[in-house]
Amino acid sequence: DGGITQSPKYLFRKEGQNVTLSCEQNLNHDAMYWYRQDPGQGLRLIYYSQIVNDFQKGDIAEGYSVSREKKESFPLTVTSAQKNPTAFYLCASSHGRGVENEQFFGPGTRLTVL
Amino acid sequence: AQTVTQSQPEMSVQEAETVTLSCTYDTSESNYYLFWYKQPPSRQMILVIRQEAYKQQNATENRFSVNFQKAAKSFSLKISDSQLGDTAMYFCAFMKRRKTSYDKVIFGPGTSLSVIP
Repeated sequence: DGGITQSPKYLFRKEGQNVTLSCEQNLNHDAMYWYRQDPGQGLRLIYYSQIVNDFQKGDIAEGYSVSREKKESFPLTVTSAQKNPTAFYLCASSHGRGVENEQFFGPGTRLTVL
Repeated sequence: AQTVTQSQPEMSVQEAETVTLSCTYDTSESNYYLFWYKQPPSRQMILVIRQEAYKQQNATENRFSVNFQKAAKSFSLKISDSQLGDTAMYFCAFMKRRKTSYDKVIFGPGTSLSVIP
């Protein structure tokens, strides 16, 4: 079955540590995205990538980093520079061009900083 | 810059009744897409319905339909015959329509819908 997987589902981190969230898709989509969701709020875009080896900052990129070495994978690193990293993180993908750019979402990762 | 507003943070509806969720947006674009996404308690985001701005006909998907008023920049979602499984957070979203390049999706803050047995 085609889809998007994120791992782990729950992640705990100590203050000052970097942590990497995994996102993999087998939909053959060109574009991939990372969103942050805080309680009672909508989705805010962290980073997006339209093609392998290229990515752009979204609205709240500070304290985060990404890579896009393979079409299928778009990992997100939450660095120690992110002041308030506790949140729910969603990864999404889409065809990235053309008349229909529906985004498909993964199940999400809940990150908690202890 | 585009913005999406959902003025109802929380709503409830009796099972089998009809409910309408409101969404307004602000844009100077003429070609764009509008979406309604559903996020149930499992937190998996699911596309409910999509509307293309250049189409006058309102989109429908089974029990879900929209009332798209382009001049008023309004895009409401109507859920008919509400079911317990409709309990979820609903997000309205906007995206500019381009043939060859990407543009990001702008999400509203969401409306929490509870279906009451």
